[in-house]
Amino acid sequence: DARVTQTPRHKVTEMGQEVTMRCQPILGHNTVFWYRQTMMQGLELLAYFRNRAPLDDSGMPKDRFSAEMPDATLATLKIQPSEPRDSAVYFCASGSLLGPFHEQYFGPGTRLTVT
Amino acid sequence: QQQVKQSPQSLIVQKGGISIINCAYENTAFDYFPWYQQFPGKGPALLIAIRPDVSEKKEGRFTISFNKSAKQFSLHIMDSQPGDSATYFCAATIETSGSRLTFGEGTQLTVNP
Repeated sequence: DARVTQTPRHKVTEMGQEVTMRCQPILGHNTVFWYRQTMMQGLELLAYFRNRAPLDDSGMPKDRFSAEMPDATLATLKIQPSEPRDSAVYFCASGSLLGPFHEQYFGPGTRLTVT
Repeated sequence: QQQVKQSPQSLIVQKGGISIINCAYENTAFDYFPWYQQFPGKGPALLIAIRPDVSEKKEGRFTISFNKSAKQFSLHIMDSQPGDSATYFCAATIETSGSRLTFGEGTQLTVNP
């Protein structure tokens, strides 16, 4: 069945290291969202893409975060250098312009721990 | 203008009871209000949604009540079951402009057997 996949599911890294998270949207979906979830801040939208072009990345710390869609089947979120405050669960979600915009299908998330 | 306030933060209900979660918004341009359900270790999943042209929408045991003048909407879970135990998020968006979803802070619901 169609679902959003994310890798890795868990990542533990040391402060200062580069972290790359990957997302495979549902085949045919043309909108991809990156969210960060923490206990303190809840669900925060970091960035989103439509047809592989970034539409809004205002929620993302620009100095260390970057998001790309090298092709329609892969979205990446990179943190360099990582910091302990980046520890969170990062979700990717995808949607289709053919359906209601608000119908976003979430992946299982990447739990990131930065020590 | 973009905030959505959700309460309570946590809720404990006995099996068979009614769970009620409330949300309030500020931006009157919002025109679509979905609720998401999230189980531990999973991503949020769309549960039910409403547009402001109706005051209520029901799907099975889940009902959204919408009060446009008060800028409030709520989720009611009738005959709550232990399997409903999850975190619930309300959200809002301006559907026609394709803008981002603004999420509430989440409510952790526990239904005791």
